[in-house]
Amino acid sequence: EADIYQTPRYLVIGTGKKITLECSQTMGHDKMYWYQQDPGMELHLIHYSYGVNSTEKGDLSSESTVSRIRTEHFPLTLESARPSHTSQYLCASSDKAKGGNQPQHFGDGTRLSIL
Amino acid sequence: DAKTTQPPSMDCAEGRAANLPCNHSTISGNEYVYWYRQIHSQGPQYIIHGLKNNETNEMASLIITEDRKSSTLILPHATLRDTAVYYCIVRATNRDDKIIFGKGTRLHILP
Repeated sequence: EADIYQTPRYLVIGTGKKITLECSQTMGHDKMYWYQQDPGMELHLIHYSYGVNSTEKGDLSSESTVSRIRTEHFPLTLESARPSHTSQYLCASSDKAKGGNQPQHFGDGTRLSIL
Repeated sequence: DAKTTQPPSMDCAEGRAANLPCNHSTISGNEYVYWYRQIHSQGPQYIIHGLKNNETNEMASLIITEDRKSSTLILPHATLRDTAVYYCIVRATNRDDKIIFGKGTRLHILP
């Protein structure tokens, strides 16, 4: 089993609140990713990181921001939540050191509902 | 990344082998075949990957045709807990920025 953890598992919160979704991995992986997935739909990459102090935007435009101050931690922040941010957010990591064919390992996600 | 084609859904009886096909006719030489699955309300789970040789691990076997244009994921003794959406992904070794999951195959294990 991959050791990647996301908190909270579920969050229901009002419009305008600042939200931080936590993602931590204990595998020492350099690469980390955030995906967004609506029910029954495909995953879309919104942010990724190749290592400490590296962050990049993904394919899907997102109003969220990320930071990577420590290797094991890749939090995602929404400064002012809106109902359109309601979705499931999935964090993943992969090992850069072993080469480019390493799979991504996923957390169980945060299901976010903005009222 | 090469495009993949999978059937939208499949059924398999519990205890039998589940064989999930995937076509990737435009695959190029440096692209690996990956399989993930997603059980309802959970994050995707990595299953197996390979380049050209058949692969086996504790979860499944991956059979890749000699021309690499298609592959089959085999779950040897399916259980009800294997009910999930299974994604076949083809990805180059130098692509480390994202995975394009597509729609996958919804596998129903029947009791």
